[in-house]
Amino acid sequence: AQSVSQHNHHVILSEAASLELGCNYSYGGTVNLFWYVQYPGQHLQLLLKYFSGDPLVKGIKGFEAEFIKSKFSFNLRKPSVQWSDTAEYFCAVNRAGGYNKLIFGAGTRLAVHP
Amino acid sequence: DAGVTQSPTHLIKTRGQQVTLRCSPKSGHDTVSWYQQALGQGPQFIFQYYEEEERQRGNFPDRFSGHQFPNYSSELNVNALLLGDSALYLCASSLASGGETQYFGPGTRLLVL
Repeated sequence: AQSVSQHNHHVILSEAASLELGCNYSYGGTVNLFWYVQYPGQHLQLLLKYFSGDPLVKGIKGFEAEFIKSKFSFNLRKPSVQWSDTAEYFCAVNRAGGYNKLIFGAGTRLAVHP
Repeated sequence: DAGVTQSPTHLIKTRGQQVTLRCSPKSGHDTVSWYQQALGQGPQFIFQYYEEEERQRGNFPDRFSGHQFPNYSSELNVNALLLGDSALYLCASSLASGGETQYFGPGTRLLVL
């Protein structure tokens, strides 16, 4: 069965700390990978995406993610978090080249303290 | 450039009632997908509409149905509401041709009492 697993449900960091959120997927075939963010009171926004090519993808607000095909992973990173990064982060996958229904992980709730 | 819009923002219904949620896709998009996001969980795919037809469906009962109009807007209908249908309902739009990125609306929060 297709699934996405996010390792941490809650993460608490101080400002300027480094962030890494884990994401592993189980999906046959070629995939597209996404990280979405949901800030408090706002709708889901696309943070970054990977379709093909360079496995290190840079997104908005200083976020990046690395696709490691052999590990079925797509971890999200940021070298130095800010209070404004407090949000819920969702990893998602869909099948490349096909109907694009997204399979989401359960999400990681990040709290950044000043 | 208008993003994805949804109405209403909030809705309260009682068990057994029926509800209709509406979505207008991002300008230029022709495909609409609906998701249910229960509290504390990630969104779950309900179905997708393209060319006014349901193209793909997730693991949801027939009580969940939809429609897409010629202007690409869409409705989600839920009949015989259950308490467990309380959730945030998200609409996402994309392009059928090479548009594998979905853009989400703000959602409709449904509470079933």
